[in-house]
Amino acid sequence: KAGVTQTPRYLIKTRGQQVTLSCSPISGHRSVSWYQQTPGQGLQFLFEYFSETQRNKGNFPGRFSGRQFSNSRSEMNVSTLELGDSALYLCASSEVGELFFGEGSRLTVL
Amino acid sequence: AQSVTQLDSQVPVFEEAPVELRCNYSSSVSVYLFWYVQYPNQGLQLLLKYLSGSTLVKGINGFEAEFNKSQTSFHLRKPSVHISDTAEYFCAVANAGGTSYGKLTFGQGTILTVHP
Repeated sequence: KAGVTQTPRYLIKTRGQQVTLSCSPISGHRSVSWYQQTPGQGLQFLFEYFSETQRNKGNFPGRFSGRQFSNSRSEMNVSTLELGDSALYLCASSEVGELFFGEGSRLTVL
Repeated sequence: AQSVTQLDSQVPVFEEAPVELRCNYSSSVSVYLFWYVQYPNQGLQLLLKYLSGSTLVKGINGFEAEFNKSQTSFHLRKPSVHISDTAEYFCAVANAGGTSYGKLTFGQGTILTVHP
């Protein structure tokens, strides 16, 4: 069974731009969650999607958004990028009692 | 609201020595508890989890943890560490009352460094 796949793995953007990150969950998993990891704030929950509906949302500004497609693939978007958005963005798909994480997309904002 | 405190930000230890990484949590509801490991430039890998039942949980790579409800702790232990255990370890909690396992609250992480 293939794991959680995130693309791109690395990307560099400038302030004010927007970015879209993609996540393909493990086959059969309908829940996809997103997390932001930074040295200062650690791992913070962004949002969770289940069957194309946002089920939970973390405490992030509206510039952070996401969606899930009918095949369970998910995307997250960050608009009007700020320097503080530089982070590792992790996607995870879940089964009962366990989250499976991808390797992340490392975003650098210059 | 839930919170997780990992009491040590860094733990240095010599190879083949025992190690304990400490985790305390705070929650007004019942919780599920997890330990994850992260190697450099990689995602998180589940080491072990407590959902219910026996409070002593065994995981991969020889790790185990004990859930102590009265002390709200979930400390991770390994009797003999290897160089390859060098990584960052995260304790996390989830609300046991819901159907969602996607929302975890993580601790700040403990960097375990195993010296030869």
